[in-house]
Amino acid sequence: SYVLTQPPSVSVAPGQTARITCGGNNIGSKSVHWYQQKPGQAPVLVVYDDSDRPSGIPERFSGSNSGNTATLTISRVEAGDEADYYCHVWESGSDHVVFGGGTKLTVL
Amino acid sequence: QVQLVESGGGLVKPGGSLRLSCAASGFTFSDYYLSWIRQAPGKGLEWVSYISSSGSNIFYADAVKGRFTISRDNANNSLYLQINSLRAEDTAVYYCARGRAVAPRYFDYWGQGILVTVSS
Repeated sequence: SYVLTQPPSVSVAPGQTARITCGGNNIGSKSVHWYQQKPGQAPVLVVYDDSDRPSGIPERFSGSNSGNTATLTISRVEAGDEADYYCHVWESGSDHVVFGGGTKLTVL
Repeated sequence: QVQLVESGGGLVKPGGSLRLSCAASGFTFSDYYLSWIRQAPGKGLEWVSYISSSGSNIFYADAVKGRFTISRDNANNSLYLQINSLRAEDTAVYYCARGRAVAPRYFDYWGQGILVTVSS
């Protein structure tokens, strides 16, 4: 089955740029989606189809996807961005949904 | 606005059964794929199952295949998950989530989640 690999944690100072990676075999050929989850809350979609943002999501959130790595980039990080972030793909070949293990973003 | 509200969770003994429900509102329910996704305490998200808009296409994660059954009632805007032969490792918050019209693709709305605890 398809595996998505995320770093367990990423730390960044306020105002800096956070980059959270999601690795997978030839992930660049798939559509990658990203969710933000704060403690005690349901996940929220922040990027879909590699780089599109749902309405209401700040432009500070962006995504890219190429080769074996997809990346969620959060610019001008704020304290409120501290959360767990999950990448996700839908494996059309197997009709299965796959989530990465999640990355805890800490704002220093 | 789109709302998804889960119910039916609780404490159940190993080997027991439970039926989760998800009541939807604020969108044309019969147009969308829907999914169940769970999260064990302190762990990451784990996809459980999804069902197509008509209910004709259904898929399960290997971990739950044969024990869980997803279904939907488009007339009543409801999604269900029948969970049988419960194990301790099924303890989790279960979320229902809305996919897209022609494929699960991504989940743009999630319920608040419902806790299922399996313990003797």
